[in-house]
Amino acid sequence: EAGVAQSPRYKIIEKRQSVAFWCNPISGHATLYWYQQILGQGPKLLIQFQNNGVVDDSQLPKDRFSAERLKGVDSTLKIQPAKLEDSAVYLCASSLGTNTEAFFGQGTRLTVV
Amino acid sequence: GDSVTQMEGPVTLSEEAFLTINCTYTATGYPSLFWYVQYPGEGLQLLLKATKADDKGSNKGFEATYRKETTSFHLEKGSVQVSDSAVYFCALYTNAGKSTFGDGTTLTVKP
Repeated sequence: EAGVAQSPRYKIIEKRQSVAFWCNPISGHATLYWYQQILGQGPKLLIQFQNNGVVDDSQLPKDRFSAERLKGVDSTLKIQPAKLEDSAVYLCASSLGTNTEAFFGQGTRLTVV
Repeated sequence: GDSVTQMEGPVTLSEEAFLTINCTYTATGYPSLFWYVQYPGEGLQLLLKATKADDKGSNKGFEATYRKETTSFHLEKGSVQVSDSAVYFCALYTNAGKSTFGDGTTLTVKP
């Protein structure tokens, strides 16, 4: 079974630029999560989708971050404009449903300079 | 809001030593509890889980028991190996789908 795919693996951008990350969850998984993991901290949930609807985006900085999950499968997370404090690993995870095991991708390491 | 507090690291042990990594939580309702592990250069992967009070999750010699009375889910292993060196994360997922992770505990096992 293929795992959660994320791209790119690494990205370096200057502040005020925009960036987008892509995630392809495990086939059949209805729930998709985007997390931000700052060095030395645990993953922090940014947004959670159930199929193509948003379940929780309470911690998403909506003035600069956006995410979509068209057709309830792939998802993209965008940052525009980026700030230095956005430097982190962005993790995508998927699960069959809420409250069940989440499978994580390798993450995208973003460096904002 | 929900929170997960993990024992601060880093933790350094000799091979075959006993391991305990403490984890306590606050949450409304009855969350499911998880331990995730991140080996060097790899992504997060599930180590074990427990979905209700008094459940014991176990995998690869690791165990953790869901203690509702103490709101804890401590990770234990009787004899660690060098290959157990990794970062361990305690997490909770509520029935509403909200997830909260601890900040992780780095374990280094020396031969």
